[in-house]
Amino acid sequence: KQEVTQIPAALSVPEGENLVLNCSFTDSAIYNLQWFRQDPGKGLTSLLLIQSSQREQTSGRLNASLDKSSGRSTLYIAASQPGDSATYLCAVRRSDSWGKFQFGAGTQVVVTP
Amino acid sequence: DTEVTQTPKHLVMGMTNKKSLKCEQHMGHRAMYWYKQKAKKPPELMFVYSYEKLSINESVPSRFSPECPNSSLLNLHLHALQPEDSALYLCASRPIPGQGDNEQFFGPGTRLTVL
Repeated sequence: KQEVTQIPAALSVPEGENLVLNCSFTDSAIYNLQWFRQDPGKGLTSLLLIQSSQREQTSGRLNASLDKSSGRSTLYIAASQPGDSATYLCAVRRSDSWGKFQFGAGTQVVVTP
Repeated sequence: DTEVTQTPKHLVMGMTNKKSLKCEQHMGHRAMYWYKQKAKKPPELMFVYSYEKLSINESVPSRFSPECPNSSLLNLHLHALQPEDSALYLCASRPIPGQGDNEQFFGPGTRLTVL
């Protein structure tokens, strides 16, 4: 059974610092991995999607890497801002046709002014 | 239109009530999902519909009854719920493989409270 782990569970940084969020998974037979952001009591906002054949994806201040062989993905957020405060979740999609996703428990991020 | 909408935003119901949650998307996605999320926990998959047919039921109690009347609409019918069913219910959609990217799009959720 695929298990997805996110460490740390919570993170507090001063504004301007770079954020590094980790996601690890036990079964490397994945189709893709998606990073989400969730504000309290809200739905999930998609940040980046990495296909299993890709090594990284970039969007603005966000960069996500994928190392399938070691079962790891890292989300980097450059020059953090208070508006980046949220919970960040990674989700791994199994290599089957129904697209079942397995979520990590998330990393709660607080960026202090 | 690149969003998933959900109604209502909030719902309070008694244990004997019957209510429904609604989810809609107009992106042409042919896979739609229901998730349940408790506070400070990740979303848990409940149901997956593919081409309007139920393809995955994660052993969800029968007091939750999904329905997909067409390719844009997904309902979740609720009956005789328990207080522990109180949670944020999230709907998501995704293109089927072969229709491009496989990104999953989520709605804002319905906050359900069962008294």
